[in-house]
Amino acid sequence: DAKTTQPPSMDCAEGRAANLPCNHSTISGNEYVYWYRQIHSQGPQYIIHGLKNNETNEMASLIITEDRKSSTLILPHATLRDTAVYYCIVRVGHNFGNEKLTFGTGTRLTIIP
Amino acid sequence: GAVVSQHPSWVICKSGTSVKIECRSLDFQATTMFWYRQFPKQSLMLMATSNEGSKATYEQGVEKDKFLINHASLTLSTLTVTSAHPEDSSFYICSANPPNWGLLRNSPLHFGNGTRLTVT
Repeated sequence: DAKTTQPPSMDCAEGRAANLPCNHSTISGNEYVYWYRQIHSQGPQYIIHGLKNNETNEMASLIITEDRKSSTLILPHATLRDTAVYYCIVRVGHNFGNEKLTFGTGTRLTIIP
Repeated sequence: GAVVSQHPSWVICKSGTSVKIECRSLDFQATTMFWYRQFPKQSLMLMATSNEGSKATYEQGVEKDKFLINHASLTLSTLTVTSAHPEDSSFYICSANPPNWGLLRNSPLHFGNGTRLTVT
């Protein structure tokens, strides 16, 4: 199962773009990259996911390198409410109906006023 | 979008008592639910996979007799912490799969808002 590596913490000024990197060098061809975030004392919130193309939704953009060994989550205009722990996850498991997500340590993003 | 509800959001109990936590999928049927535990400043750790109509699958090191899981319907899974001790104090989080989640590899998993258990 592919593992992910993220920096433990990052700061970003309010209003600027927050770029959160993730390495997943052992990802296999049919595994997706998912991003979740967890605001203090809440359950994880789904942000975005992708396979190999760049993706954008109302929350964020996901840039995946051509070799798929790393990706970057971009929050285009960070606000104080974006302060959270961000998890980059590669979907694990091989049995339909029994697939699960394994969380790493994530990146603690702090938005600075 | 898909919603997963947990109840209660927090609970305080005395050592030696049992506590039940509910996880419901509100707008979809969930054949599989997952239970996680999170200690302060740590990541989520998977405890068990709850399968509707069959026994739960526990991760290594998780005591199945202490953490009883029941998934009796397609919208409800319960986790009962039996004979709770202060070291069981933690943040418990559930997540749920729609039935076709395994087939649609690009579907996200949905999480509840967690239950904070404090054992005194």
